Amino acid sequence: DTGVSQDPRHKITKRGQNVTFRCDPISEHNRLYWYRQTLGQGPEFLTYFQNEAQLEKSRLLSDRFSAERPKGSFSTLEIQRTEQGDSAMYLCASRHEGTPSYEQYFGPGTRLTVT
Amino acid sequence: AQKITQTQPGMFVQEKEAVTLDCTYDTSDQSYGLFWYKQPSSGEMIFLIYQGSYDEQNATEGRYSLNFQKARKSANLVISASQLGDSAMYFCAMREWQGGSEKLVFGKGMKLTVNP
Repeated sequence: DTGVSQDPRHKITKRGQNVTFRCDPISEHNRLYWYRQTLGQGPEFLTYFQNEAQLEKSRLLSDRFSAERPKGSFSTLEIQRTEQGDSAMYLCASRHEGTPSYEQYFGPGTRLTVT
Repeated sequence: AQKITQTQPGMFVQEKEAVTLDCTYDTSDQSYGLFWYKQPSSGEMIFLIYQGSYDEQNATEGRYSLNFQKARKSANLVISASQLGDSAMYFCAMREWQGGSEKLVFGKGMKLTVNP
């Protein structure tokens, strides 16, 4: 396994711009998760995919946020009209539903800075 | 809703000593799972150990063990023989499963510093 990868690793954008992040899960992991982590806090759940179906969206995910997972492989998280409060680390995780320990494998994250 | 509490903001330990990181949880579910993750300064969350609520024995993974006290709703992480590379943020988390959806609920974390 090559691990979960995320791109880009860092993104600096101006307020009001749109940004898109990509997550490539470990191959054959059918479950994919997005979390957001702000400074000094633990990760907070944003959304969950099982295969290509988005099964839950947190209330943290306002209508400016959208996530997709076409064909059940990679996933994208888009933030429209970014605000300074969107500055955070965005973490992607994946796992196979057969994992007995329910362990989620995390990517390195995308750090977003909105100026 | 499930909740994870980590009250220690930071701890210092000498290299080669053992250290216990505290975690308490709150849930009304009978079946649940508890995790510990390590986050070094590089930012990646690294899975350390898992304990299922019905597991009869405390989980162990190398130098890591989980002191699971169900009645007290605590799931403390014990690191034996601390190493300099153990310096990092540590997060306790609980698996939440509702309505066909799954997520991890994390505590605020605590910073461990291992001194030489």
